[in-house]
Amino acid sequence: DAGVIQSPRHEVTEMGQEVTLRCKPISGHNSLFWYRQTMMRGLELLIYFNNNVPIDDSGMPEDRFSAKMPNASFSTLKIQPSEPRDSAVYFCASSLDRNYEQYFGPGTRLTVT
Amino acid sequence: AQSVSQHNHHVILSEAASLELGCNYSYGGTVNLFWYVQYPGQHLQLLLKYFSGDPLVKGIKGFEAEFIKSKFSFNLRKPSVQWSDTAEYFCAVIWGGGADGLTFGKGTHLIIQP
Repeated sequence: DAGVIQSPRHEVTEMGQEVTLRCKPISGHNSLFWYRQTMMRGLELLIYFNNNVPIDDSGMPEDRFSAKMPNASFSTLKIQPSEPRDSAVYFCASSLDRNYEQYFGPGTRLTVT
Repeated sequence: AQSVSQHNHHVILSEAASLELGCNYSYGGTVNLFWYVQYPGQHLQLLLKYFSGDPLVKGIKGFEAEFIKSKFSFNLRKPSVQWSDTAEYFCAVIWGGGADGLTFGKGTHLIIQP
């Protein structure tokens, strides 16, 4: 299996632009998680899906952030409009179910100037 | 609120030294426990996990962890570290059926000096 796939690996954009991050979970996994990692705040859970349904989005910073999972093999995290404080590494992870170990993708390093 | 505490934020050791990284979680009940490692510039990888059974769990690369229920602890150990073990180590917990997902500790930055 190719593991969790994320794209792009690096994204540099200007403040105010829309950013879309993409994730393909491991085939057969029912749960998908989006995390953000920064030096200041460490690893934060933004949102997670179980069977394509958003279960907990309490970690989403504000309305500028949105996430979708239209099917079992694809999810997006969108930031609109982006701000410099959104600069971070965004990880997607998937698991067989929400109480099992999670497998992480390589991350997207986002820089907002 | 559920929380995971890692006591050491930065640890510096020499090669061949023994390692123990502490991890405590906030309260009991049914838990699934994990240690993840993040090498510089890379993503998180699973080192080991505990769901049930033998409280001494062996993982990859010579790491092990012991679940002590009475102490709400799941400390990570390695008898002899190598320079390549330099990384960030995260303890993580799932409570009950996993409704709240995985809760991570803040991480421990381990530096191994040759």
